[in-house]
Amino acid sequence: EPEVTQTPSHQVTQMGQEVILRCVPISNHLYFYWYRQILGQKVEFLVSFYNNEISEKSEIFDDQFSVERPDGSNFTLKIRSTKLEDSAMYFCASLLWDSPYEQYFGPGTRLTVT
Amino acid sequence: AQSVTQLDSQVPVFEEAPVELRCNYSSSVSVYLFWYVQYPNQGLQLLLKYLSGSTLVKGINGFEAEFNKSQTSFHLRKPSVHISDTAEYFCAVSPKKTSGSRLTFGEGTQLTVNP
Repeated sequence: EPEVTQTPSHQVTQMGQEVILRCVPISNHLYFYWYRQILGQKVEFLVSFYNNEISEKSEIFDDQFSVERPDGSNFTLKIRSTKLEDSAMYFCASLLWDSPYEQYFGPGTRLTVT
Repeated sequence: AQSVTQLDSQVPVFEEAPVELRCNYSSSVSVYLFWYVQYPNQGLQLLLKYLSGSTLVKGINGFEAEFNKSQTSFHLRKPSVHISDTAEYFCAVSPKKTSGSRLTFGEGTQLTVNP
């Protein structure tokens, strides 16, 4: 069964450094998403991406964040200058255009900012 | 805007007992409703969804949920749980108005099934 993959599974970085989290969505899916889950808190929406542009973003997704689909298969989330409060599990998800609205989630990348 | 409240943060039950995980939502527009499960160190997996029609929906692993529009609830039930059902369960909604809309999640309920 096709699945969403994410790399790395765990990333440790120092405050102020740039990080790139990578995702490979399911190949025929058209919508892509990033969510995050701070330890002990709910899963929060960050951004959605469709037709090579951001279709929706939350108030969390400020200028420090950017997304890209560089090569037609990968979907990346970049955090330009990480803060301690960026430490969280980051989930990528994808959705087929006319599916019954099921977003398929990857296993997540745990980002630890020290 | 939408919000989701899961009324129990932790639910411990014994194996083969029935369980109900409660979910209430608030929205100014019609929504689709979902339950996702997260096993330790894994991503989120869809258990079931309500899009329209019959208010009782059945999902994987013997779970079912009932949509109650008047009470704005979407409680998850299973008549007999197994040890392997131990996981975190998330209720989520997304607005019907457009495709590809974001999911808004509740805080999650940790279900622990004891022998």
